[in-house]
Amino acid sequence: DTAVSQTPKYLVTQMGNDKSIKCEQNLGHDTMYWYKQDSKKFLKIMFSYNNKELIINETVPNRFSPKSPDKAHLNLHINSLELGDSAVYFCASSQGHTGELFFGEGSRLTVL
Amino acid sequence: GNSVTQMEGPVTLSEEAFLTINCTYTATGYPSLFWYVQYPGEGLQLLLKATKADDKGSNKGFEATYRKETTSFHLEKGSVQVSDSAVYFCALSDGGRRALTFGSGTRLQVQP
Repeated sequence: DTAVSQTPKYLVTQMGNDKSIKCEQNLGHDTMYWYKQDSKKFLKIMFSYNNKELIINETVPNRFSPKSPDKAHLNLHINSLELGDSAVYFCASSQGHTGELFFGEGSRLTVL
Repeated sequence: GNSVTQMEGPVTLSEEAFLTINCTYTATGYPSLFWYVQYPGEGLQLLLKATKADDKGSNKGFEATYRKETTSFHLEKGSVQVSDSAVYFCALSDGGRRALTFGSGTRLQVQP
């Protein structure tokens, strides 16, 4: 069983389109995250939810909208895609303040 | 704010060589420190951690010691294998917010 699963694994789309990435964790964790990894492997936190409540919202364009229907799921919707949105997006989860994150395999988004 | 600085890669070593990847941090208070590893095409995995000064984290032959006086958490391994080829990320958690601060990552390439 995959602990943190993301779909789709690959996304190729045109500028201006809207796309969503889904994430599910079966670890029973109370906190979920979205990270963006650029081509140089730099990781940046985008959002964090704790028990469905948004607790971290970094400086991210409002074209990006996270949604957490329950504490096991955190989805990311992106409107009006731009070239600079091309990256690998990682979902992660954790329990408590341990800093021990469990990551999904990533969703590679390519905007043409 | 918090920050983590890692040595730039790639680090290229022959099998059985000694590995050091430097990591220094800036944080208020007493953060917890982590090393994560990302194998090709995968998400990040926790490699080891240390939660207080002078703690040594270890796993799979890798070690790192939390040095408060030098604000460092260098990763070491006595004898690397080809299978250790990956990107290594140093990270810190200040416990005050549920998001890790990551360094920029260091790619390790081990040649047979």
